[in-house]
Amino acid sequence: DADVTQTPRNRITKTGKRIMLECSQTKGHDRMYWYRQDPGLGLRLIYYSFDVKDINKGEISDGYSVSRQAQAKFSLSLESAIPNQTALYFCATSDIGTVPGELFFGEGSRLTVL
Amino acid sequence: SQELEQSPQSLIVQEGKNLTINCTSSKTLYGLYWYKQKYGEGLIFLMMLQKGGEEKSHEKITAKLDEKKQQSSLHITASQPSHAGIYLCGAKTRNNAGNMLTFGGGTRLMVKP
Repeated sequence: DADVTQTPRNRITKTGKRIMLECSQTKGHDRMYWYRQDPGLGLRLIYYSFDVKDINKGEISDGYSVSRQAQAKFSLSLESAIPNQTALYFCATSDIGTVPGELFFGEGSRLTVL
Repeated sequence: SQELEQSPQSLIVQEGKNLTINCTSSKTLYGLYWYKQKYGEGLIFLMMLQKGGEEKSHEKITAKLDEKKQQSSLHITASQPSHAGIYLCGAKTRNNAGNMLTFGGGTRLMVKP
């Protein structure tokens, strides 16, 4: 089983709908991240959390919200989805004890907003 | 323009050929990280470079860091179909904290058998 699991893996929705992407990890890491990937733009950070009580905005947080329900769970919500939020979303984890900068990624959630 | 520019954006090589991917930063580098993404999958960490002149190898993949040029290169020797995927560089620049990385746009590599 994957150490970082994202659900759903694929989702097609309509403009205006509320969408939640979930991430759970079994690595025991404190730090969790949500990135989105767009062709040619690499990965851009949406939100990150260094522990359960810590939530921070990344470079592109507008239109998104997150919830850190437990050390192992970090959810990303789109309150009212719009077409330009169509992208591949990645959850990642890291820990102080790992190689600095070494992120462990889930397999991604592909979201299409029509 | 992006903080991290990768070149080329895509590359098709014949199996057995060598290739180089470049990553150039517009800001001072405090750590440069290479990841590989297989199509439709997550990213796998390859290696990290921190010091100018540093060079690391993993199997047939070698990465170097030129701190003065704010640039890193990833070289694959005798490419194989298993090398195909998207290679992304990530960097810690002055505005980053903790393990947050800024990523380049990626280089899509195809290896023809």
